[in-house]
Amino acid sequence: ILNVEQSPQSLHVQEGDSTNFTCSFPSSNFYALHWYRWETAKSPEALFVMTLNGDEKKKGRISATLNTKEGYSYLYIKGSQPEDSATYLCASISSGSARQLTFGSGTQLTVLP
Amino acid sequence: DAGVIQSPRHEVTEMGQEVTLRCKPISGHNSLFWYRQTMMRGLELLIYFNNNVPIDDSGMPEDRFSAKMPNASFSTLKIQPSEPRDSAVYFCASTYHGLAGNEQFFGPGTRLTVL
Repeated sequence: ILNVEQSPQSLHVQEGDSTNFTCSFPSSNFYALHWYRWETAKSPEALFVMTLNGDEKKKGRISATLNTKEGYSYLYIKGSQPEDSATYLCASISSGSARQLTFGSGTQLTVLP
Repeated sequence: DAGVIQSPRHEVTEMGQEVTLRCKPISGHNSLFWYRQTMMRGLELLIYFNNNVPIDDSGMPEDRFSAKMPNASFSTLKIQPSEPRDSAVYFCASTYHGLAGNEQFFGPGTRLTVL
């Protein structure tokens, strides 16, 4: 079973601040990494799918990087807004004959107006 | 497209009863996933199907849980008999090509309470 860890567990920032969080995963047998945004009382919504070492992806004010050799991904939010408040989940998928998908426990972000 | 559809949205049942959760994936998607979310364990993958065939059910907690996908547009997750510790939110998601580098689209979830 993959061990996917996210930090910090929760985070409070002021509106306008930029922030980032980390997803750590086993670097061996890496296949893909997903980032999801999960608002309270809603379903997880895909942000990024990353597969290659050095990948950088961006969607508006949110971006992510991937380092498969050392087993981490960073998610950045520039100029946080209250509507960015959500739990951000990463999920790592392993390669091999029986792929495994494991979610981290998430980073709960609260952006204060 | 209406997205992934799950029913019921809420289910309250008594211990020992059979519970059936239903999912309709997005049309054209060939992979379907069942997840369970609890406070203690977060989001866990229970089972996934590719082209209606179960690929990995190692996440299914025990024999009381079973899942089927009789066709490309419908799947069920059944718990028989249900127990209070099965109380959770159960999500269904779909995508193309299984556990590949493709984003999954989640349904709204079914909140199950077993008394």
